[in-house]
Amino acid sequence: SQTIHQWPATLVQPVGSPLSLECTVEGTSNPNLYWYRQAAGRGLQLLFYSVGIGQISSEVPQNLSASRPQDRQFILSSKKLLLSDSGFYLCACGGRGEKLFFGSGTQLSVL
Amino acid sequence: AQSVTQLDSHVSVSEGTPVLLRCNYSSSYSPSLFWYVQHPNKGLQLLLKYTSAATLVKGINGFEAEFKKSETSFHLTKPSAHMSDAAEYFCVVTARSNDYKLSFGAGTTVTVRA
Repeated sequence: SQTIHQWPATLVQPVGSPLSLECTVEGTSNPNLYWYRQAAGRGLQLLFYSVGIGQISSEVPQNLSASRPQDRQFILSSKKLLLSDSGFYLCACGGRGEKLFFGSGTQLSVL
Repeated sequence: AQSVTQLDSHVSVSEGTPVLLRCNYSSSYSPSLFWYVQHPNKGLQLLLKYTSAATLVKGINGFEAEFKKSETSFHLTKPSAHMSDAAEYFCVVTARSNDYKLSFGAGTTVTVRA
């Protein structure tokens, strides 16, 4: 079965600092990969999804970017964090009509 | 366009009474539908899924959902709520023709009263 490694688990960053969250997948090849954010009191929001290496679709305009340098690696980045970037970030793998596997998430606090 | 609307942001029930979480979807294609549960400080767990087989789907922990194409609904039910059912529930739609992009509902918070 698929396993998703996501790190770090928690992160506290000052406003204006850069961000890099990494997600790697095991047990599958050519997966669909997703980055979601759950802001306090709100549901999950799809930020980016990727159907293959170098193929990134952005769902909402924002201060973030994503990259997929390898088949099973998905990176979420920002050059300068904003207060509104605080939230719980989840990497997910799978889809294609079947079960999604989720990482353990990263709680990001921007101060 | 593809979207999900969870009609209730918060549902409160007494232990032992039925639970109903409502979900309506919009999809231009034949959809697959899921219900996920998120307990506090834990990850998302799949409750059940519909992928064009039987319209009444049974999941874990006594939950079930019925796919009604004419009503574009996929409501989640449980006959008797348990304290451990207190959590956040998400309805999700996806479709092969839409690159399997997932659309999440805003979530429904379930509280269970003793």
